[in-house]
Amino acid sequence: QKEVEQNSGPLSVPEGAIASLNCTYSDRGSQSFFWYRQYSGKSPELIMSIYSNGDKEDGRFTAQLNKASQYVSLLIRDSQPSDSATYLCAGNDKLIFGTGTRLQVFP
Amino acid sequence: DTEVTQTPKHLVMGMTNKKSLKCEQHMGHRAMYWYKQKAKKPPELMFVYSYEKLSINESVPSRFSPECPNSSLLNLHLHALQPEDSALYLCASSHPDRTNTGELFFGEGSRLTVL
Repeated sequence: QKEVEQNSGPLSVPEGAIASLNCTYSDRGSQSFFWYRQYSGKSPELIMSIYSNGDKEDGRFTAQLNKASQYVSLLIRDSQPSDSATYLCAGNDKLIFGTGTRLQVFP
Repeated sequence: DTEVTQTPKHLVMGMTNKKSLKCEQHMGHRAMYWYKQKAKKPPELMFVYSYEKLSINESVPSRFSPECPNSSLLNLHLHALQPEDSALYLCASSHPDRTNTGELFFGEGSRLTVL
């Protein structure tokens, strides 16, 4: 079992919809989780950090962490074509990235 | 604009060449990382330096040799590489303390092609 797992997608959503990206992890050593966005041909960019159970909101982005279920998610509200990218999940313990989910937002 | 600068942006080398990738940051971060990324795959951790000391080496072949001359600089020396080593090499930095160790700031990467 991979330590951080994501559905590779692509996840296709219409503009204005909510995109829901999910990540499960097996490494109980990680206490904090991070979502990175990577546009094609570019390097990853940190967009959200979450350190405790529950929800954390930042603009159109909401990260959710459930340590008991070893599950972390990212919701993107009012999705825009510019959100089309690969989203990578990572825990802080071993700095291992999930395989990434490719999101496509169509007009 | 990224505050982690990597040079060169592109590098083509033969299997017998010796070359180096360079990374520089001026954010006062004391942890620096090398990742390797192949097409359509996530970044794979290679090395971590914390306070200029090598803290993680993810079983990387010895043809890759990291060096951290000071807190702002990170090098990756390349020698006798194989064509399968062709990839995007990403440098990142972060604060090494507390729970935000996973908050990485990436450079734009060096795209390496081994002929």
